[in-house]
Amino acid sequence: AQSVAQPEDQVNVAEGNPLTVKCTYSVSGNPYLFWYVQYPNRGLQFLLKYITGDNLVKGSYGFEAEFNKSQTSFHLKKPSALVSDSALYFCAVRLNTGGFKTIFGAGTRLFVKA
Amino acid sequence: NAGVTQTPKFRILKIGQSMTLQCAQDMNHNYMYWYRQDPGMGLKLIYYSVGAGITDKGEVPNGYNVSRSTTEDFPLRLELAAPSQTSVYFCASSPQGGGTEAFFGQGTRLTVV
Repeated sequence: AQSVAQPEDQVNVAEGNPLTVKCTYSVSGNPYLFWYVQYPNRGLQFLLKYITGDNLVKGSYGFEAEFNKSQTSFHLKKPSALVSDSALYFCAVRLNTGGFKTIFGAGTRLFVKA
Repeated sequence: NAGVTQTPKFRILKIGQSMTLQCAQDMNHNYMYWYRQDPGMGLKLIYYSVGAGITDKGEVPNGYNVSRSTTEDFPLRLELAAPSQTSVYFCASSPQGGGTEAFFGQGTRLTVV
């Protein structure tokens, strides 16, 4: 079955430290990969995506993600966390067969402590 | 540019009541989606539309209906509300499928009592 796993329910980091939010996937073919962020009482906002090309993708607010095809992972990273980065982060996968179906992970709550 | 607008933001329904969640987008996107978000479960696709007049079921369509008479609007109808429909509902749109990202509304928090 096709799935997206975010193995950590919550990630805690101190402000100024690097952060990583993990995502692995199990789908057939070569999917498109996305990260979204959700702030309290808000909808999801797009952060970045991997379509093809360079495995390191840069996105909004200083976030980046590394695509690893052999490990089927797409981990979200940031070199220096801010308290304002505290939010719920979703990894999402869409098949590249020209369709629309997107599979979302369960989400990881990031807490950045001052 | 408003993006994706959902109304209402909050609603409490009694079991067996019906209601329509409204969704409108002003980006001229062809694709529109309705998701529900349950705690710890990520987002599940309820219905989707690839253009005006075209709709189809997603992963969890039971108890819901949709229509798409215009490009801009994609209302979600709940018939005979049940406690299992207590959730946060998100409408989203994208220009197309493939590698394009989705734009989400702010959500509707629905409680069925």
